Amino acid sequence: EDKVVQSPLSLVVHEGDTVTLNCSYEVTNFRSLLWYKQEKKAPTFLFMLTSSGIEKKSGRLSSILDKKELFSILNITATQTGDSAVYLCAAPPRGSQGNLIFGKGTKLSVKP
Amino acid sequence: NAGVTQTPKFQVLKTGQSMTLQCAQDMNHNSMYWYRQDPGMGLRLIYYSASEGTTDKGEVPNGYNVSRLNKREFSLRLESAAPSQTSVYFCASSANRDSRLFFGEGSRLTVL
Repeated sequence: EDKVVQSPLSLVVHEGDTVTLNCSYEVTNFRSLLWYKQEKKAPTFLFMLTSSGIEKKSGRLSSILDKKELFSILNITATQTGDSAVYLCAAPPRGSQGNLIFGKGTKLSVKP
Repeated sequence: NAGVTQTPKFQVLKTGQSMTLQCAQDMNHNSMYWYRQDPGMGLRLIYYSASEGTTDKGEVPNGYNVSRLNKREFSLRLESAAPSQTSVYFCASSANRDSRLFFGEGSRLTVL
């Protein structure tokens, strides 16, 4: 059975800290891995990764995929209170028609 | 720019009552999805529609039915609500099989 596992499940840091969120996967016929940020409501898209070793970057957030070791990390540098959210990792499972399987998420709390 | 719109945003039902959650997208996407999100369980796929006229079961379809009314609209129906269906429901859409999902803002359903 395909699965996506995130760690840690929750994390508390102070403003200015750098954090690394982890996502490991076991997916047959792996195609891509996606990261979403969920604040109070809808998950919003951050990154889609398909190639190993190529970093995707958006401001203070970056992510990289390791297809050999079957994991991805999401880094946030110089964290701000506005980064507080649940970060979700997802991948299309075997036979997917566009649907994704999600990890349980990492809840990040950034304290002032 | 509406994106994915869900109604209602909140609903309280009694056990055994029925209701329909409505979802519409204005991005001309082919695929639409219904997920539920429960504490500690992450997002789980209920049903999806890869294209107009087709629907398929996801991970947790029992107790639900769906209708892909046209390319824009995908509804989720609870015929006889149960307390186990208390959850936050998200509708999502995507352009094609390898595109990111866009989510609605969620519908919080409580079944007493």
